[in-house]
Amino acid sequence: GAGVSQSPSNKVTEKGKDVELRCDPISGHTALYWYRQSLGQGLEFLIYFQGNSAPDKSGLPSDRFSAERTGGSVSTLTIQRTQQEDSAVYLCASSPIGLARAQSKQFFGPGTRLTVL
Amino acid sequence: KQEVTQIPAALSVPEGENLVLNCSFTDSAIYNLQWFRQDPGKGLTSLLLIQSSQREQTSGRLNASLDKSSGRSTLYIAASQPGDSATYLCAVGGGGTSYGKLTFGQGTILTVHP
Repeated sequence: GAGVSQSPSNKVTEKGKDVELRCDPISGHTALYWYRQSLGQGLEFLIYFQGNSAPDKSGLPSDRFSAERTGGSVSTLTIQRTQQEDSAVYLCASSPIGLARAQSKQFFGPGTRLTVL
Repeated sequence: KQEVTQIPAALSVPEGENLVLNCSFTDSAIYNLQWFRQDPGKGLTSLLLIQSSQREQTSGRLNASLDKSSGRSTLYIAASQPGDSATYLCAVGGGGTSYGKLTFGQGTILTVHP
């Protein structure tokens, strides 16, 4: 079946503009995660969704970052007033967390490369 | 706060060698540990998942072990091939107050030359 998909694959924007990044998880996966991968910082957790609710937003770096998930499926990560330090690859993952979480792998999408000029 | 460290940061070996990648974590209250592979410009591919109650997992030429009490995991790659060249990431689930999130190490960049 289809894996996790993300769009766009690349996004170049100017400082101060808003951007939206989209994630389509694997069908039936109830858990969805956003991570950010930047040079020098490695891979960092941003936010976790279980269904449409977000019980863990602890990784969002500032209030310019927000995310939503609708219908227990597609998720959008929005960055307002982008800054150059927001440049990174944004990765989305999903998992069938209905299993005991110890057994539950996370499956990653290809990522969106964001460049803020 | 959970912290994950991977050693070495980079490794270059000739084809055919057996090799070991190391991962350590500071909080032993984990529920699983995953090893991933990342190719340049690509997403992550899950290689092995070890539940906290398990000691090791094997898949083909890969074997991963977990010593939860000492906060260590190793990924053993047998008979390495040029196609194994990639960045290998270790990630732990749990530790602290997180439920589902993974905490990643910085990765080991592996180059296998013919």
